[in-house]
Amino acid sequence: IQLTQSPSLLSASVGDRVTLSCKGSQNINNYLAWYQQKLGEAPKLLIYNTNSLQTGIPSRFSGSGSGTDYTLTISSLQPEDVATYFCYQYNNGYTFGSGTKLEIK
Amino acid sequence: QVQLKESGPGLVQPSETLSLTCTVSGFSLTSYSVSWVRQPSGKGPEWMGKMWYDGDTAYNSVLKSRLSISRDTSKNQVFLKMNSLQTDDTGTYYCTRDGGNWFAYWGQGTLVTVSS
Repeated sequence: IQLTQSPSLLSASVGDRVTLSCKGSQNINNYLAWYQQKLGEAPKLLIYNTNSLQTGIPSRFSGSGSGTDYTLTISSLQPEDVATYFCYQYNNGYTFGSGTKLEIK
Repeated sequence: QVQLKESGPGLVQPSETLSLTCTVSGFSLTSYSVSWVRQPSGKGPEWMGKMWYDGDTAYNSVLKSRLSISRDTSKNQVFLKMNSLQTDDTGTYYCTRDGGNWFAYWGQGTLVTVSS
């Protein structure tokens, strides 16, 4: 399954509601996770099974979606959210998207 | 707490074999699976293969012919060997602990450069 993330680059202001998209080449059956990767660090798990928040992750992060289309939402963007975000599917094999780089305006 | 740490050579010659070790602590290799994931600079991660908790292995079909994953449970170590390295194998290599079929814990990663 191929994953297409959009946009590849997103610039937003502190406090904005931000939405990142991930589209699969076929049905993912909700077996989708989201990772945050800051510069020079390993990816960090944010969300698994489409909408389950990993322990310790702030509640401003949420996930939704079904079928082939999934979304990561940050309800109020914070400066520490600057990172690249990857979606990851584990319905059929294990594949990552190419990422959305999130910047502060 | 759960920790994973990768070790191995930072530089590998083209056509040579890469050998990496993942040393884990805070959990048992007979209770949790460990995967290897690599990431070229500026690109998305790629799952390479997995050592299941029961000793079975699974490999990315693209890499399967070049890749071998093994373990030593007495030393809490998982090993990766990949042969016939080329320049596009350059990147950061991570070992990860599964939590379900997602990767809940990651090592710090080790940069591998393939160059003569």
